[in-house]
Amino acid sequence: EAGVAQSPRYKIIEKRQSVAFWCNPISGHATLYWYQQILGQGPKLLIQFQNNGVVDDSQLPKDRFSAERLKGVDSTLKIQPAKLEDSAVYLCASSLGKEPNSPLHFGNGTRLTVT
Amino acid sequence: AQSVAQPEDQVNVAEGNPLTVKCTYSVSGNPYLFWYVQYPNRGLQFLLKYITGDNLVKGSYGFEAEFNKSQTSFHLKKPSALVSDSALYFCAVREHTGKLIFGQGTTLQVKP
Repeated sequence: EAGVAQSPRYKIIEKRQSVAFWCNPISGHATLYWYQQILGQGPKLLIQFQNNGVVDDSQLPKDRFSAERLKGVDSTLKIQPAKLEDSAVYLCASSLGKEPNSPLHFGNGTRLTVT
Repeated sequence: AQSVAQPEDQVNVAEGNPLTVKCTYSVSGNPYLFWYVQYPNRGLQFLLKYITGDNLVKGSYGFEAEFNKSQTSFHLKKPSALVSDSALYFCAVREHTGKLIFGQGTTLQVKP
């Protein structure tokens, strides 16, 4: 099966600019997650979707970050305006559901550098 | 709140020797525990999981993990390390909502 697809792989922007990331999950996976991985740290959940509904966005900085999952398939994550501390790898993951037996499958991530 | 801890930032082993990467957990209720591996410039790859059943779980690439309830540990092990096992390893606990909470990661360095 095809894996989780993410684009772009790399992005460099200046602070206060905006940026968007795209994710295409594995076909049939109802649950989609966006994680932020800062260098030297473990990934931190930003937002979780179940189909096109939000399950958890408690760690999403809503003043600058937004995400949507149109039609319960693809998803986009946007940052506007970006800050230096947003420099990180943004990982998208999907799973069949939220059951423990259903592991998360991760994409290769988008590495964002904010200068 | 549920959490996992990886007490070692880095583990160094010689090729052919056994390796252990440590993980301890703190959860309320039944623990659902996972190990993932991350190679440079790549996403996380699933290695193995403990949901219920046998305390020794076997996974991909010859890795296994031992669940120990009394010590609240879930250490990753491999009998004979390969240079290609060098990577960043993450332990994680899964909440009932489905999300994974990760430890801070352990870099495994296997030297020839």
